[in-house]
This record gives sequence, structure tokens and C-alpha cells, in this order.
Amino acid sequence: AQSVTQLDSHVSVSEGTPVLLRCNYSSSYSPSLFWYVQHPNKGLQLLLKYTSAATLVKGINGFEAEFKKSETSFHLTKPSAHMSDAAEYFCVVSATGFQKLVFGTGTRLLVSP
Amino acid sequence: DTEVTQTPKHLVMGMTNKKSLKCEQHMGHRAMYWYKQKAKKPPELMFVYSYEKLSINESVPSRFSPECPNSSLLNLHLHALQPEDSALYLCASSQETGVPEQFFGPGTRLTVL
Repeated sequence: AQSVTQLDSHVSVSEGTPVLLRCNYSSSYSPSLFWYVQHPNKGLQLLLKYTSAATLVKGINGFEAEFKKSETSFHLTKPSAHMSDAAEYFCVVSATGFQKLVFGTGTRLLVSP
Repeated sequence: DTEVTQTPKHLVMGMTNKKSLKCEQHMGHRAMYWYKQKAKKPPELMFVYSYEKLSINESVPSRFSPECPNSSLLNLHLHALQPEDSALYLCASSQETGVPEQFFGPGTRLTVL
């Protein structure tokens, strides 16, 4: 079985400050992990993915995430927030060969000027 | 081309209407998906097609009828919907094997009156 827990429903930051969105996962298999972003009334865009290669994964728009097996975590970070980063972020787990994605409940990132 | 397109962007229909949602991808993906997303919630999987065959139906009511005419197209036929079916309907596609990252379209915002 697989599950994912996003530890914060809302995160508020000021523009130019670091972003940390937290995600813990559970998987019976060697997991594939993803972060997706969704801007209001838009589809989901893949930010980055972990697939058992490098544990530090770099994504688009300056985001990165670190896979920590001992902590079963896959937190998303960005050194400096931009107003355009305000959106809903989903942490997602799956496994190679499995078509079902298991979504977290989402974290809304608010960025203030 | 790394894009999944969906039409229409918005759809308003009565409970007695019949309408269809369309999805198209040209990435050579052989798996395609329909999701339903309610406000402030993660997407919920409805159907999965693999090689144009229905492989997963997540106990979706029969008023939703999926169709995969070819490897690039996915339709969702709607009939006798209820107001609670109002939601954002997302289409996605992925490789059939390997890492199951999914690429999402922008969605169709459906309102049932």
C-alpha cells in the first residue's frame, strides 16, 4: 500500500524568502515520488520527480526536493519565493509499473509582497 | 510536443443533456486517464486506458462513459448528470511502462444545472 501525507495545508511566505513544503510517504514498493503544482483553474504541472537515481532532485522554476529514505520524506524547497509561486502543490507517490498515483491532500502556498 | 489538450475549457449542461469531453496527446503515450477534481481537493482517478483498452474503472457511475478511439484521443461522454458532478475534469497521459509520471491537460470546468 502507498500513502502520502502533506504536513501543512497552508504555507505563507514573503517574496524573496525560502519555501519549504513538507511531505512524508509510505510505500510497500520502491517508490517514485513527484511534486505537482496547480495554479487556480489550471491543470497540474510536474515540478520534479524522484525515481531511485540521485536523492537530490532539481526541478523547474528553481524548486528542488530531497529523498530521505530513513525519514520517509520528500520535502520541496526553493531558496527564494516569487509571487508567481503562489499555487496549490501536491506531493504524489507511485511505483514503477503502477498506473495509479496516490495524491497528498495538497499545500496551498501563499506569497506576500 | 509535450502537451495534453482538452476541449472544451468550460461546459454548462442541464441534467437531461448529453455532452462529451475530449482529450488529445501526441507524445506517443499508450496510457490515458480521466480524473475528477472538486474544489480544494486532489484529483480523483476515474478511468485508465492502456493501449486503447479500459484497464481501470474506479466504480464510476454509468452516467460517465469513457471512450478511447485511438492512441491519441480520449473522450468522456456525459449523460443525465447530477449537480454534484460539477467539477474540473482532468485528462492525463503517461508511458505504459517505466516511471509512471503523468502529464496533465488544463482541464474542463463542468457545471451541471
